Amino acid sequence: AQSVTQLDSQVPVFEEAPVELRCNYSSSVSVYLFWYVQYPNQGLQLLLKYLSGSTLVKGINGFEAEFNKSQTSFHLRKPSVHISDTAEYFCAEDTGFQKLVFGTGTRLLVSP
Amino acid sequence: EAQVTQNPRYLITVTGKKLTVTCSQNMNHEYMSWYRQDPGLGLRQIYYSMNVEVTDKGDVPEGYKVSRKEKRNFPLILESPSPNQTSLYFCASSTGGRGPQHFGDGTRLSIL
Repeated sequence: AQSVTQLDSQVPVFEEAPVELRCNYSSSVSVYLFWYVQYPNQGLQLLLKYLSGSTLVKGINGFEAEFNKSQTSFHLRKPSVHISDTAEYFCAEDTGFQKLVFGTGTRLLVSP
Repeated sequence: EAQVTQNPRYLITVTGKKLTVTCSQNMNHEYMSWYRQDPGLGLRQIYYSMNVEVTDKGDVPEGYKVSRKEKRNFPLILESPSPNQTSLYFCASSTGGRGPQHFGDGTRLSIL
């Protein structure tokens, strides 16, 4: 069965520092990957998606992710984080029939 | 405004008392899904629907029912809730294909 792995359950970082949230997927065929963000007491909001094409994907709020087929990774990055980026981040793969397989999430904690 | 609306947002109830969580979308999306979110497990799909009167099981369907009588609505039914169904539930919709899913704000169920 396909799986998505987010190795870091929590990532603490200082404001204005860069951050990378790691995600690895298991699919070996066509890959469709997403990053979602969940702010407290809210639903999931799409940050960015990879369907095909360029391996560097830019999303909202200054985030970007790089698709790496050889390493089966789709890490999320931001060069300078803000306090308002504190949230939980989920990596997900669309395995077909609108089924999203999610990672277990990474809580990003940005402190002053 | 395009949105997925879930009701109620919070519910505390007792074992065995039937309940329904409603979900409605105003984007004319064909696909709708229900997920549950549990700490350390991420989100897992309960049921999905590809169109009116077309539904299928996700990864964790036991104890749940759904119906899709109208395109915009996709209620989640717990006929005899049990404490292990205490969770945060999300409804999502999409246009289909590999498009991103749009999520509601969630329903937090506590079953005592």
